[in-house]
Amino acid sequence: AQSVTQLDSHVSVSEGTPVLLRCNYSSSYSPSLFWYVQHPNKGLQLLLKYTSAATLVKGINGFEAEFKKSETSFHLTKPSAHMSDAAEYFCVVSSMDTGRRALTFGSGTRLQVQP
Amino acid sequence: GAGVSQTPSNKVTEKGKYVELRCDPISGHTALYWYRQSLGQGPEFLIYFQGTGAADDSGLPNDRFFAVRPEGSVSTLKIQRTERGDSAVYLCASSLTWVAGDTQYFGPGTRLTVL
Repeated sequence: AQSVTQLDSHVSVSEGTPVLLRCNYSSSYSPSLFWYVQHPNKGLQLLLKYTSAATLVKGINGFEAEFKKSETSFHLTKPSAHMSDAAEYFCVVSSMDTGRRALTFGSGTRLQVQP
Repeated sequence: GAGVSQTPSNKVTEKGKYVELRCDPISGHTALYWYRQSLGQGPEFLIYFQGTGAADDSGLPNDRFFAVRPEGSVSTLKIQRTERGDSAVYLCASSLTWVAGDTQYFGPGTRLTVL
């Protein structure tokens, strides 16, 4: 079984300040972990993914995430928020060792960026 | 290159009617997935195809839902006797292979409204 918990439903930051979106996962097998972003009325876009290589993963638009097995966490960070970062962010898990290919999504974190 | 496309972008129907939703995956992608996203929630897995066959349909909510991919490319999600609870955004995704952890690329979705 696999599941994802996004610890904050809403996060509000000021432009130019750091972003932290928190995610904890549960997986019976070695996980693949992803962060997707969804802008209003747009499709889901992959930000970054972890698949058992380097634990610090760099993605697009300055985002990165660190896989911490001991804490079962995969938090998303960005040093300096931009207005265009305002969107819904989903943490996603998929198990590497089973026949299932379904992605399991968290409930999402809405990021607001204040000017 | 072209991404995943879905038609129609919006579909309004009446309770009890039959609807078909179409997905065109990225050219050359062998795996195709359907998800459903209700308002304010993350997407939920419905069904996954390897080539022409449904490899995992464990997410289909009941036997009113059915999907096909007869030539291993385009897929159609079919919903019989629609109910108001079927209203959601239906998302299609494709991946190059069906190897665990392979990135899934999402289409813009079809917004289904059942009156």
